[in-house]
Amino acid sequence: DTAVSQTPKYLVTQMGNDKSIKCEQNLGHDTMYWYKQDSKKFLKIMFSYNNKELIINETVPNRFSPKSPDKAHLNLHINSLELGDSAVYFCASSPIGGLNTGELFFGEGSRLTVL
Amino acid sequence: AQSVTQPDIHITVSEGASLELRCNYSYGATPYLFWYVQSPGQGLQLLLKYFSGDTLVQGIKGFEAEFKRSQSSFNLRKPSVHWSDAAEYFCAVGAEAGKSTFGDGTTLTVKP
Repeated sequence: DTAVSQTPKYLVTQMGNDKSIKCEQNLGHDTMYWYKQDSKKFLKIMFSYNNKELIINETVPNRFSPKSPDKAHLNLHINSLELGDSAVYFCASSPIGGLNTGELFFGEGSRLTVL
Repeated sequence: AQSVTQPDIHITVSEGASLELRCNYSYGATPYLFWYVQSPGQGLQLLLKYFSGDTLVQGIKGFEAEFKRSQSSFNLRKPSVHWSDAAEYFCAVGAEAGKSTFGDGTTLTVKP
């Protein structure tokens, strides 16, 4: 049973299109994240939701819009895709238990290629 | 603001040799420290973590790390590397609200 699952695993699309990536966790965690890993493998946090509420919103273009219908799901919608959006997007979750230490449980990633 | 530095971009070791990957952090309070491993095409998996207490922590796959406050370091070690250890390794420091900061990673190559 996969703890943090993302779909799709691969996405190839044209510039200007809109795409979504879905994420679900079955760990019972309160907090979920989106991270972006670029071609040099640098990892940067994009968003964080705690129990459906946005708590971290890094400097990300407005074309990126996260949505959390419930605390087990966090989706990422990207409008008007650009070449620079090509990357691997990781969903992650963490337990809170009164103190969020930052320990993360990652999905396998969604590789987005914009042509 | 917190930061993490992994000085070694790429390390090559022979199978069976010992390994040490370096990590230095900058953080105002007592840090929560993590090492993650990323195999090709995979997500990141937690190897070990330090929150408090014993400064030598044991992780999965035979890895250990030592927290040295005086050096702001959290180096990862393994006494004998296996070919399956070839991967990307990330050191991270956790903070409130779960806003972890990652180092730029170290690529480990294992020679037969």
